[in-house]
Parts: sequence; structure tokens; C-alpha cells
Amino acid sequence: QSALTQPPSASGSPGQSVTISCTGTSSDVGGYNYVSWYQQHPGKAPKLMISEVSKRPSGVPDRFSGSKSGNTASLTVSGLQAEDEADYYCSSYTGSNNPYVVFGGGTKLTVL
Amino acid sequence: EVQLVESGGGLVQPGGSLRLSCAASGFTFSSYWMSWVRQAPGKGLEWVANIKQDGGEKYYVDSVKGRFTISRDNAKNSLYLQMNSLRAEDTAVYYCARTLMATIHYWGQGTLVTVSS
Repeated sequence: QSALTQPPSASGSPGQSVTISCTGTSSDVGGYNYVSWYQQHPGKAPKLMISEVSKRPSGVPDRFSGSKSGNTASLTVSGLQAEDEADYYCSSYTGSNNPYVVFGGGTKLTVL
Repeated sequence: EVQLVESGGGLVQPGGSLRLSCAASGFTFSSYWMSWVRQAPGKGLEWVANIKQDGGEKYYVDSVKGRFTISRDNAKNSLYLQMNSLRAEDTAVYYCARTLMATIHYWGQGTLVTVSS
């Protein structure tokens, strides 16, 4: 099972929108609606931002949204703010117990 | 408030062993699958292992199978990872994680394991 594919970097100016893609296969992203997105600031633990493709946990701003089309999931951050600058990782259930979950390589989001 | 606090990391020589612990609080520990996820320095996240609520099912990524053992003590609200035959490539921050439907809703702060001579 290979890692999911994310662009290494993305950027946008404050107030703009940016979309980060996460490409897998029909065995993971395309096969199940268990795609999650995590935000990680330097030196900190990851934080869940989106679960089950598009569900936003309590406390996560509605500027963050998720979607999926075929084997590619996407995270959109609207109205970019300085505090959104972080690494973002996607993950997907694989339908297997080895590995149970596969992660993307991460995308460094820079707020210009 | 959900809290997951890892401990037990440190510097160990190749071939050595280490036992990580995770103390859970703020939720009914025995009701959740739990996982260990690691992150090598400057790298991405990697799922390592997970364990069912009663400890009856355990799963591992291929790279640690036969060397690592995940376990839990529901009476002590604790999760463990016994790591044997450690290799340089096991060097990483290890996170304890509460898992539901292939989603990690809560993460610990992580504990650093460094395998080096």
C-alpha cells in the first residue's frame, strides 16, 4: 500500500482560498468515505480538521471544508488567515488491517 | 477533556528495546480502539499499530511486525508499545491516538525515540 499523493507545498494570500489535493486509489480514497485531514504546526501534534471526507469536528472553523471525487480528496481553506500556515496531512482507510490507515506525504501551506 | 500523555521515549542503541506508555484520561478508555502513529524527523506520518477495545485484535504495519507489540490495560487507562530489535529507521516521534472509524480524533503530544549508537 503506497502513501497517498499530496503536493509538497501550497500558498495563498490572506483572505484567499487554497485547495490541497490528496490522490490515492480505488483501494483507499476512492473505495471508502473515511478520508481525514490533519493540521500540524511545527513541534506540535497533529489536529483533526476534517473526518469522513467532509465532516468538521466541533471547534474547527467553517473556513475548512473537504470533498472527494473518485480517487482524489481535497481540502479547501477559505478566507486564509496567518494561523492557517501549517503542514496538512490527508489519510484514508484502506479496507485492510495492514496498513489500517495510509497517510499522504503532507503539504506545507504558506500564507504569503 | 480528553488527554493522552506518552512517556518512555529516549535514546537506545540499535538492537535494543524500549517500552512506550500512554496514559489516557477524560474519556471511557475501554470503549475505543487505540493506535500508535509515528513521525520520523522532518517526515510524514505513519500508522504503526492499533488495538481493539478488549485487546483481542491487534494489527501492525509490516515494517514493525514481529518486533513491536501493542497492548493495553483498561483498568489503568493505559496503552503500551513494546519495541524490540530497534533499528535506526525506527527513530521518530511516537504518538498515542484515539481512533474511531479510521479517524484519529485525539493525539497525544508525542514521545521521541532515537535509535543510534
